[in-house]
Amino acid sequence: EVQLLESGGGLVQPGGSLRLSCAASGFSFSSSAMSWVRQAPGKGLEWVSSISGSGTSTYYADPVKGRFTISRDSSKNTLYVQLNSLRAGDTAVYYCTKGGTYSDSWGQGTLVTVSS
Amino acid sequence: DIQLTQSPSFLSASIGDRVTITCRASQGINNFLAWYQQKPGKAPKLLINAASTLQSGVPSRFSGSGSGTEFTLTISSLQPEDFATYYCQQLNSYPLTFGGGTKVEIK
Repeated sequence: EVQLLESGGGLVQPGGSLRLSCAASGFSFSSSAMSWVRQAPGKGLEWVSSISGSGTSTYYADPVKGRFTISRDSSKNTLYVQLNSLRAGDTAVYYCTKGGTYSDSWGQGTLVTVSS
Repeated sequence: DIQLTQSPSFLSASIGDRVTITCRASQGINNFLAWYQQKPGKAPKLLINAASTLQSGVPSRFSGSGSGTEFTLTISSLQPEDFATYYCQQLNSYPLTFGGGTKVEIK
């Protein structure tokens, strides 16, 4: 059974940083592209970033390009996203998903709140 | 970027009704479209990939069709557990984009 467990969310001030982690199990992590998708409170889904299975290719949504960095550690079966220069508009539940395009499995999400 | 427009954004329906949700793309995306279902407080669930391929375990009352710029998600006979918000997502090119969502509520 595929399991994705996010962690690292919390309250951060504008301009601050956070690193989100996603521990993956139940599938071949090293050969699976992965993604982050976020959802602001009461709003729709927004794709954030994707990374290839090898980690050599990464893709970002325009609003986060230059501020967020996706990465992975296949020795730990863990996906990461470093969130820098955070803004109020980045407040959302961040979901880790399996897949580089469509997301066939999702974690439970971790809430990031950007507020002073 | 490819924009996806879902309609309606909200619909009220009864148990047993046939429900159709439309997703229009701002440019052609072949069949690179997925549909998700999200219930309150839960993560989304993939229903359909490649516009019409039902994911394993998804009831056959769900179906998808379309190609190019116009796509539909149909629920042939609405069940109580189908009341949720549905999203389409284009997979044709980065940045990936989602439609705005369609909330299906009980009439």
